[in-house]
Amino acid sequence: ETGVTQTPRHLVMGMTNKKSLKCEQHLGHNAMYWYKQSAKKPLELMFVYNFKEQTENNSVPSRFSPECPNSSHLFLHLHTLQPEDSALYLCASSPLLDGSYEQYFGPGTRLTVT
Amino acid sequence: GQNIDQPTEMTATEGAIVQINCTYQTSGFNGLFWYQQHAGEAPTFLSYNVLDGLEEKGRFSSFLSRSKGYSYLLLKELQMKDSASYLCAVSDSNYQLIWGAGTKLIIKP
Repeated sequence: ETGVTQTPRHLVMGMTNKKSLKCEQHLGHNAMYWYKQSAKKPLELMFVYNFKEQTENNSVPSRFSPECPNSSHLFLHLHTLQPEDSALYLCASSPLLDGSYEQYFGPGTRLTVT
Repeated sequence: GQNIDQPTEMTATEGAIVQINCTYQTSGFNGLFWYQQHAGEAPTFLSYNVLDGLEEKGRFSSFLSRSKGYSYLLLKELQMKDSASYLCAVSDSNYQLIWGAGTKLIIKP
């Protein structure tokens, strides 16, 4: 596979469930990102990892927990979510943590919290 | 605060030209990106401007004026497949991307 892949593509979960989103990049990049995309709103940066180390946590509620076991894989663990957390969750990667590099996005996970 | 403004929606005709504007106010500037996002798909990179002027890439061109905090994306010879959302993003002083809400472009035959 090439590029950035995400699984699952769609997820419906109840507020008491625990689930995980997975992201994998096959580009040899060192920086990885989690974004939340809600309708008609700007992309919200949630977490940033650089060489497996978390560098940003933009005031994200603790019900979202990221994990980066290596430079190619990124997870987002979800528990006790709220209906307002329903959104498209996008993973992205870039060669370096430098805002002059384009980011490559995965197709996203469409999350619905019931 | 940091802010990116772009129109919510625009409509254009197949074969025509459309210009999508983006204005920004950010703490520092390390470049401006345009991305295209088709419905239900991932955003894909279109252009990057860090110096003033026009960058042309096929049917798409992107312009930047740093003194005015302004950019535009110009799409020529519009095709139906150009129907998508166009996202403007600015890299700030911390090299973090600040995103606009996107402009939904509707192409009519």
